[in-house]
Amino acid sequence: SYELTQPVSVSVALGQTARITCGGSNIGSKNVHWYQQRPGQAPVLVIYRDTNRPSGIPERFSGSNSGNTATLSITRAQAGDEADYYCQVWDSNTAVFGGGTKLTVL
Amino acid sequence: QVQLQQSGPGLVKPSQTLSLTCAISGDSVSSSSAAWSWIRQSPSRGLEWLGRTYYRSKWYNDYAVSVKSRITFNPDTSKNQFSLQLNSVTPEDTAVYYCARVSSPYTNSWYEFDHWGQGTPVTVSP
Repeated sequence: SYELTQPVSVSVALGQTARITCGGSNIGSKNVHWYQQRPGQAPVLVIYRDTNRPSGIPERFSGSNSGNTATLSITRAQAGDEADYYCQVWDSNTAVFGGGTKLTVL
Repeated sequence: QVQLQQSGPGLVKPSQTLSLTCAISGDSVSSSSAAWSWIRQSPSRGLEWLGRTYYRSKWYNDYAVSVKSRITFNPDTSKNQFSLQLNSVTPEDTAVYYCARVSSPYTNSWYEFDHWGQGTPVTVSP
């Protein structure tokens, strides 16, 4: 089965850029979606189909996808960005999620 | 504005059936450009997709291999909702369960989960 690998945790200084990676075999050929989940809340879509932002998501959030790695970037990180982030793809008609990355803003 | 409202019990006994419902507003369970999924989350298994139901001239249900023998989805067009039934539960089925909409703008295309329910914590315990 297809696997997505994310770092368990990422730290970023306030106001700096955070980058969260999602590794998978030839993931560049798939559509990657990213979700933010704050404690006790449902996941929220922040990037869809590699690079697109849903309405209401700040421009500080962006995505890229190439080769074996997709990346979620958060510029000018704020305290409110602290959350768990998950990548997701479809493979063989099955939705696959990464293990999640806890983002800490220092 | 699409909203998903979940309902159902938070405690189920081992060997019994877990039943949850997801009521849809702002869209139709019969939408030709969406599918409707259940996803669960636990510390041990992370986010786990359980399956989807969708209508394309007829109803289709696709289930995850891990639960295929125990799971059933039932869309209800009269109430614009869909439900999950998971049989023969064990403590391993303890999780927060979410319903979610899958964007499906093209035939046999599956994309992002763009709307989620609020989540229902379910504990399997005697």
